[in-house]
Amino acid sequence: DAGITQSPRHKVTETGTPVTLRCHQTENHRYMYWYRQDPGHGLRLIHYSYGVKDTDKGEVSDGYSVSRSKTEDFLLTLESATSSQTSVYFCAISESRANSSYEQYFGPGTRLTVT
Amino acid sequence: AQSVAQPEDQVNVAEGNPLTVKCTYSVSGNPYLFWYVQYPNRGLQFLLKYITGDNLVKGSYGFEAEFNKSQTSFHLKKPSALVSDSALYFCAVRDIRGSGRRALTFGSGTRLQVQP
Repeated sequence: DAGITQSPRHKVTETGTPVTLRCHQTENHRYMYWYRQDPGHGLRLIHYSYGVKDTDKGEVSDGYSVSRSKTEDFLLTLESATSSQTSVYFCAISESRANSSYEQYFGPGTRLTVT
Repeated sequence: AQSVAQPEDQVNVAEGNPLTVKCTYSVSGNPYLFWYVQYPNRGLQFLLKYITGDNLVKGSYGFEAEFNKSQTSFHLKKPSALVSDSALYFCAVRDIRGSGRRALTFGSGTRLQVQP
């Protein structure tokens, strides 16, 4: 999985609690992304980062925040988890060299259940 | 805006037969197109991409895809299916304009089932 790890791999949490998911890469790629995968929806972008401390919202960002203090780490935080955030979360990376086609490489995923 | 449609939720094919998984796209400019495969409980794996040049692109595991600009399609194909090809397949697109800030847009996925 292209030097990308995610932690935890599985988590069960209660409604209203904060949750932080971590993505760690060893590829030194500039761009990092968080997606969620739900049946019938494919992958939907939550947030992405185009450099240290540079982040922006994706199409389903409500209820989520992110931080990137180092090139290798991208954190996704659910401030107050809800049952609608039960999903599988994937981190992805892509490089930024000139003329890149920006294909993304994915981590193994985190399965989050909010009860 | 960019979008991808995968019109089939599931494709069933017998082992040894050719397979096709369909994808159509919409972008304002010219596209970069990608296919990914997901095996159970795994992340997505990159299969192949179309950037420019030949309309027939070859990728991993014997897969290929045909870019058709007039039909805005990028169908995934394999001449002879294997049981081990059974997985979930995603098509993705991004406009060539802009930087990596513009993330990929994914289709909803097609489950390929290859019967022995």
